Amino acid sequence: AQTVTQSQPEMSVQEAETVTLSCTYDTSENNYYLFWYKQPPSRQMILVIRQEAYKQQNATENRFSVNFQKAAKSFSLKISDSQLGDTAMYFCAFMKALDSSGTYKYIFGTGTRLKVLA
Amino acid sequence: KAGVTQTPRYLIKTRGQQVTLSCSPISGHRSVSWYQQTPGQGLQFLFEYFSETQRNKGNFPGRFSGRQFSNSRSEMNVSTLELGDSALYLCASRGFYEQYFGPGTRLTVT
Repeated sequence: AQTVTQSQPEMSVQEAETVTLSCTYDTSENNYYLFWYKQPPSRQMILVIRQEAYKQQNATENRFSVNFQKAAKSFSLKISDSQLGDTAMYFCAFMKALDSSGTYKYIFGTGTRLKVLA
Repeated sequence: KAGVTQTPRYLIKTRGQQVTLSCSPISGHRSVSWYQQTPGQGLQFLFEYFSETQRNKGNFPGRFSGRQFSNSRSEMNVSTLELGDSALYLCASRGFYEQYFGPGTRLTVT
């Protein structure tokens, strides 16, 4: 069975600095997708960044980038120039197709609570 | 495009009652998934509907059920509520493989 592990329950970073959130996953699949979601105190879950397993190039979205190591089954999120608005719970998620008809399975990690300090 | 909407946003119910939550996906999205989020258990998958058919189901008792209508709107029903059902219920809409979440319904069972 697939699992997603986020080993850092809580982290903090000074405003304008860089922080890296870790995520590892376990799967025997070759084709899958990985995501980072952000859930601020308002509770709205927001998609931050996605990575297709077949792509070797690491995904980047503005200040957010990932370090995808397929062989090591690692998918870390780097936040550059941290801002107060980045304070949130961050979830790593793994997704794969269950069949050819469009059924997918999502598995979420337990989350990392990030606090950006002024 | 408008995002995923969920109604109601907050709900207080008594043990033994039943509740129905509603979710409207992003226009054009045919997949709707439901999740239960609690501080102790994290984000737990309930079920996914695609074109009015339940495609996938998590490990929840039969008290939790759902359905999807022809316009892709989905409802989730919980019967015989228990205190442990108090949680944030999130709905997610999927186009291809990315899920987009609604703001959630906070259910409190007293």
